[in-house]
Amino acid sequence: GNSVTQMEGPVTLSEEAFLTINCTYTATGYPSLFWYVQYPGEGLQLLLKATKADDKGSNKGFEATYRKETTSFHLEKGSVQVSDSAVYFCALTSGGSNYKLTFGKGTLLTVNP
Amino acid sequence: DAMVIQNPRYQVTQFGKPVTLSCSQTLNHNVMYWYQQKSSQAPKLLFHYYDKDFNNEADTPDNFQSRRPNTSFCFLDIRSPGLGDAAMYLCATSRDSRGRKDEQFFGPGTRLTVL
Repeated sequence: GNSVTQMEGPVTLSEEAFLTINCTYTATGYPSLFWYVQYPGEGLQLLLKATKADDKGSNKGFEATYRKETTSFHLEKGSVQVSDSAVYFCALTSGGSNYKLTFGKGTLLTVNP
Repeated sequence: DAMVIQNPRYQVTQFGKPVTLSCSQTLNHNVMYWYQQKSSQAPKLLFHYYDKDFNNEADTPDNFQSRRPNTSFCFLDIRSPGLGDAAMYLCATSRDSRGRKDEQFFGPGTRLTVL
């Protein structure tokens, strides 16, 4: 079956630090990969996505590259801000269950001024 | 702006008292989903509708039901809420899932408290 493993949190950084949140996956077929962000008390927002190998998704300074050879989709940002504090979820859809998002457990990021 | 709306944002109910959560969308998407998210956990899919076709996840308790009277609205009914059903309930939509991997758009969620 499909599964997503992402780096355990919490992650605490100072403003302007470099961010990496690791995500690896197991899936049948050719998955699409997503990063969702959840700010406190709110629903999930799509941050970025990639639908095929070697695609790079990017948004708001965040980037992730779909690496089929390492089954990874690590999230990076060169300089985080306090406003980036949130929970980040890596997720995928694949195979016969295209409708179903399989989520990782989420990583809480706190950015201090 | 096209969006996914959930009402109410906060719902308090009593143990065993039926409760209904509401979701509406202006995106005209085919698929609507209901997720349960407990504290510090990933969202868990309860069920989804593809148009009028209802698809239940195998491990969704019978206590949870859903209705989709039209394209725009979808309801989550909890027949007899238990303390373990306290959670954030998220509604999501996507345009067309079959053969395509469209992203899901989430509403802000309804936080359910069971007393």
